[in-house]
Amino acid sequence: DAKTTQPNSMESNEEEPVHLPCNHSTISGTDYIHWYRQLPSQGPEYVIHGLTSNVNNRMASLAIAEDRKSSTLILHRATLRDAAVYYCILRRYNNNDMRFGAGTRLTVKP
Amino acid sequence: KAGVTQTPRYLIKTRGQQVTLSCSPISGHRSVSWYQQTPGQGLQFLFEYFSETQRNKGNFPGRFSGRQFSNSRSEMNVSTLELGDSALYLCASSFSGRATDTQYFGPGTRLTVL
Repeated sequence: DAKTTQPNSMESNEEEPVHLPCNHSTISGTDYIHWYRQLPSQGPEYVIHGLTSNVNNRMASLAIAEDRKSSTLILHRATLRDAAVYYCILRRYNNNDMRFGAGTRLTVKP
Repeated sequence: KAGVTQTPRYLIKTRGQQVTLSCSPISGHRSVSWYQQTPGQGLQFLFEYFSETQRNKGNFPGRFSGRQFSNSRSEMNVSTLELGDSALYLCASSFSGRATDTQYFGPGTRLTVL
């Protein structure tokens, strides 16, 4: 299975943009890149996903490198409620499990 | 619509006992996945059910089993509990379980094995 590598932790100031990187050098052509986050004492929640092109939704943007070996989750204006562990996950199209890595713990400072 | 519900939310058992956890998916969702979360190992995939059939299984011993009913509700069973089974057990539902589907997670069941 393709693996992802993320920094253990990152810090951001409130209302500033945050760029959360993820390396997935062994990604295959049918792997989708998903991001989930887990707020304290809650189950993970979906953030965004993409295959090849950059994606935007109301929560975040996902920038995917041209060779697809890395991606970046962008929170445009971090709030205190964005403090969470962010997971970058690869999901193969015909496979239905999600293999979580250690994730990045994001701390947002007021 | 209602989210994923898990019962019970907290459970205390002793070594050697068995336990059954329940998960009710979002209405219309046919895929249910189970995960174990521990401080040491993080989130680990247990298994996924779709239309009452197990489609995929993670790397856990046979003491961990599950099933899915015709209404898509799922149960997970752990037999002969060990101290290391203490964890947060999460279930997630999605429409079809495919890679383009969003998985919606429940709040989890916190299992403590004494």
